[in-house]
Amino acid sequence: EAQVTQNPRYLITVTGKKLTVTCSQNMNHEYMSWYRQDPGLGLRQIYYSMNVEVTDKGDVPEGYKVSRKEKRNFPLILESPSPNQTSLYFCASKKGWAGGYSGANVLTFGAGSRLTVL
Amino acid sequence: SQQGEEDPQALSIQEGENATMNCSYKTSINNLQWYRQNSGRGLVHLILIRSNEREKHSGRLRVTLDTSKKSSSLLITASRAADTASYFCATDSPLDDKIIFGKGTRLHILP
Repeated sequence: EAQVTQNPRYLITVTGKKLTVTCSQNMNHEYMSWYRQDPGLGLRQIYYSMNVEVTDKGDVPEGYKVSRKEKRNFPLILESPSPNQTSLYFCASKKGWAGGYSGANVLTFGAGSRLTVL
Repeated sequence: SQQGEEDPQALSIQEGENATMNCSYKTSINNLQWYRQNSGRGLVHLILIRSNEREKHSGRLRVTLDTSKKSSSLLITASRAADTASYFCATDSPLDDKIIFGKGTRLHILP
């Protein structure tokens, strides 16, 4: 089954304790992205990656790091989490640019990771 | 930011009625998409409309796009209880590779 898998699904941690949220896709997608969702603010893009070893900042990158060493994986790293990073996080992927084929722009989302930082 | 804005923020209608949601955005786009989210779950793609298209249909969904007004609407006809969800528009720009979502419309279908 084509899917995006995130782990952990739920996590409660404390301020300053480094954590990593993993994301893996099995669709051979070039493009991967992280979003956070907060009440009243909708989804905001944190980082995205067009391909292996290529990452770019989204609208809210502060406090986060990412890496793209393999095509299928795109982990989100919180080096020193703070309470304002308490949120629902989503990883998503898409095929990427494919000669104008608009279907390549459709994102497939993971189930979400609910993070609480105390 | 080119973030879209959905309107209304929340909508309650009787089952069987039509639901209309609107999305406005700020910059030029390649495509505009609509997604649905059920109660904190992952978003699911509904429909994509390209910048050179004005209207598109998929089942009970009808999407329109007016690039001169930088706006789109999503119409769900003959609503059902299962349509209760949040709906988001998303845009991608020819200027960068970001895909930007709006804040969403919460739709509640009353029995």
